[in-house]
Amino acid sequence: KAGVTQTPRYLIKTRGQQVTLSCSPISGHRSVSWYQQTPGQGLQFLFEYFSETQRNKGNFPGRFSGRQFSNSRSEMNVSTLELGDSALYLCASSLVGGGSYNEQFFGPGTRLTVL
Amino acid sequence: GDSVTQMEGPVTLSEEAFLTINCTYTATGYPSLFWYVQYPGEGLQLLLKATKADDKGSNKGFEATYRKETTSFHLEKGSVQVSDSAVYFCALTPGGTSYGKLTFGQGTILTVHP
Repeated sequence: KAGVTQTPRYLIKTRGQQVTLSCSPISGHRSVSWYQQTPGQGLQFLFEYFSETQRNKGNFPGRFSGRQFSNSRSEMNVSTLELGDSALYLCASSLVGGGSYNEQFFGPGTRLTVL
Repeated sequence: GDSVTQMEGPVTLSEEAFLTINCTYTATGYPSLFWYVQYPGEGLQLLLKATKADDKGSNKGFEATYRKETTSFHLEKGSVQVSDSAVYFCALTPGGTSYGKLTFGQGTILTVHP
């Protein structure tokens, strides 16, 4: 069974631009969560989508947004990029979102560098 | 809000030494607790979990017990190997409809020398 895939793996952008990252969950998984990993702040939860609806949201500004499609694939968008947005963005999928525990499986991440 | 505090690293040990990485948490209700591991150049992997008080999670020789009275979930291994060198993260989910939200500790870098 294929794991969680994220594209692209590496991305370089300049301040003020916007970026879209993509995540394909494990087949059959309906919940997708996004995290930001930086040396200073560690791993921080961005948001979670389940059945095309945002179920949980972290403490990030509105420049960070996401969506989920009917096939469970998810995208996250960051608008008006800032230097501080440089990070590894991780996506995780699980079988069911909310109401019961299911292991989250993580993708390899997208490394975003903002110049 | 929920939070997880891990002992600061890095931790450097010799092979076959005993490992303890401390983890304490703050959460309302009854969270589920996890240890994740990130090997060099690889993604995050679940190492072990415990979903209720007094549960012991175990995997690959690692163990951790969910202690509600001390709000702790310390990771232990009796004899570490070079291959255990990695970054270890303690994490929790609050449960209910928030199982998709993991709150992580800062991570502890473990280096094991032959």
